[in-house]
Amino acid sequence: QSALTQPPSASGSPGQSVTISCTGTSSDVGGYNYVSWYQQHPGIAPKLIIYEVSKRPSGVPDRFSGSKSGNTASLTVSGLQAEDEADYYCSSYAGSNSWVFGGGTKLTVL
Amino acid sequence: QVQLQESGPGLVKPSETLSLSCAVSGYSISSGYYWGWIRQPPGKGLEWIGSIYQSGNTYYNPSLKSRVTISADTSKNQFSLKVSSVTAADTAVYYCARHPRSGSLDYWGQGTLVTVSS
Repeated sequence: QSALTQPPSASGSPGQSVTISCTGTSSDVGGYNYVSWYQQHPGIAPKLIIYEVSKRPSGVPDRFSGSKSGNTASLTVSGLQAEDEADYYCSSYAGSNSWVFGGGTKLTVL
Repeated sequence: QVQLQESGPGLVKPSETLSLSCAVSGYSISSGYYWGWIRQPPGKGLEWIGSIYQSGNTYYNPSLKSRVTISADTSKNQFSLKVSSVTAADTAVYYCARHPRSGSLDYWGQGTLVTVSS
């Protein structure tokens, strides 16, 4: 069970769009539509922003969207705002009642 | 509203056992969902430690399985984590959270920092 692969950093200017990738294998990301994304600001517990690849929990702005192609999932943040600057983590079900996280991506709003 | 609250010692000596509890309010832990533990070393990413389902079946990260035990006390509506033979590498913020089989952690505790040091 290896961690999912995310780029360490991403950046964009206010109003722009940025996409963060999350690459796994056919045993996790590619095998199930059970990818989640979390936003974490410093010193605070992570917040669920996307579940089951592309669904948004109540209260999460539609600027956040998720998708998946093969073994790679993606999170897109549109219309970047200053408050979107945070760390983002993906996770996936990996079968046999196990779950795995990505290493995290630090998003900077320029 | 579902709320989770971690509690336990903030300092544990090397080779000893780390013990934490997670008190749940607003939802019965025996009514469904998985109840999990996640940790985050300072400045690093998240790691799934393990989960308990329906207060009975337990599932662990293979890399930690030999040292981890998760249990539940339905009378107190709480679940617990034990990590044995700790080293400095176990220093982390430990979170408890709720999730369905898909793994989407929808409710989290605020986290508690556990430092392993003599």
